[in-house]
Parts: sequence; C-alpha cells; structure tokens
Amino acid sequence: QSALTQPASVSGSPGQSITISCTGTSSDIGVYNYVSWYQQHPGKAPKLMIYGVSDRPSGVPDRFSGSKSGNTASLTVSGLQAEDEADYYCSSYTGSSTLVVFGGGTKLTVL
Amino acid sequence: QVQLGESGGGVVQPGRSLRLSCAASGFTFSNYVMHWVRQAPGKGLEWVALISYDGSNKYYADSVKGRFTISRDNSKNTLYLQMNSLRVEDTAVYSCAKETVRYNYYYAFDYWGQGSLVTVSS
Repeated sequence: QSALTQPASVSGSPGQSITISCTGTSSDIGVYNYVSWYQQHPGKAPKLMIYGVSDRPSGVPDRFSGSKSGNTASLTVSGLQAEDEADYYCSSYTGSSTLVVFGGGTKLTVL
Repeated sequence: QVQLGESGGGVVQPGRSLRLSCAASGFTFSNYVMHWVRQAPGKGLEWVALISYDGSNKYYADSVKGRFTISRDNSKNTLYLQMNSLRVEDTAVYSCAKETVRYNYYYAFDYWGQGSLVTVSS
C-alpha cells in the first residue's frame, strides 16, 4: 500500500488561511471516512487534530477543519498563528493488509 | 491524565531481536485498541501494528508481518512489541498510541508516547 501524497511544504502569513491536501486512492480515502490529521512539532509526539475526516478532538481550536472530496482529503487552518508552524501528517484506513497509511508530511511555515 | 511510556529500545545488530514495552496510565487500558507507530530519523510516520482491546485481534503492516508480534497484558496496563529478525531499515523511534474510541477501531490515535529509539546497525 503506497503512502498518501502531501505537498512537502506550505506557507502563510499570520491571520491567513492555508489548506494542506492529502491524495489517496479509491481504495483508501475515496471509500473510507477514517481520515485523520496530526500536528508534530520538532522533537515532540504527534498530536491528533482531526479524525473521521472532519471531527475535532476536544481542545483543538476550531481554526482547524477537515474535509474530503473524492480521493483527496484536506486540512484547512484559518487565522494562522505562529504556534501552528509544524509538520502535518494525514492518515487513512485502507482496508488492505496494511490497515493504515500515512502521508509523507507537510511542513507548514508561518511567515 | 493519559500517559504512555515506552521502554526497551537500544542498539541491536541486524538479525537480532528486541522487545519494546509501553506502560499506560490515566485511562481504562483494557477498553481500548492500541497501536505501534514508528518514525525513522528525519522521516515520516509509519503505522506498524494494532491489537484489539482484548488482545484477540492483531494486525500488522506488510513491512513487519512475520517478524514483529504485538501483545498486551491488561492486568499490567502494558503493551508490547516483540521485534525479531531486525533489519537496518527498522531503525526508527517506536511509539505506542491509543485509539480514540472505546472497544472499536477508528484508526485515529489521540494519545502518543514519546517513543523509544531502536537502532539496527552492525
């Protein structure tokens, strides 16, 4: 099972909105609603930001939102803040022998 | 509060074995599916394995199937990963992670340990 495809980097200025895409196939994102997004600061454990395509765990700001269209999932961060600068990873259930695949990660830079 | 703490990592030669442990606290361990996820140095995340809340079901990534075994001891609130026939490409930080929902699979990990570094090198 191949990894999901994410852009290597995205950037935005404080207060702006950015969107990170995560492209899979009709065997993972396209058919299952088990898409999650994680934020990882350097040297830290990943933090769950979105699960089930668009659900936010308690404590995650509503500036973070998730969506899906076809084989592509998206994470939107609105009202960018300096502390949002981090690596972001998407994941999806696949239904194949390797149950979960991750994207390669996207580095978000807040200019 | 939920806490996950891994131990057992280290440097090992190719072909040898290692067992990782993950001590859990702050939640009812026996109610949750648990996962192992690894991250090679400077690389992305890779899902390794999961075990059902009662230990009856286990699933593995193709890259480790037949070499790694996940297990749990609910009486000790501890998760394990037995790694055999280790390869250089298994070098990574191994983290245990808790499933988001009780008794079921959502394939989302709401709490992670800090990880244990496994280095496979001759």
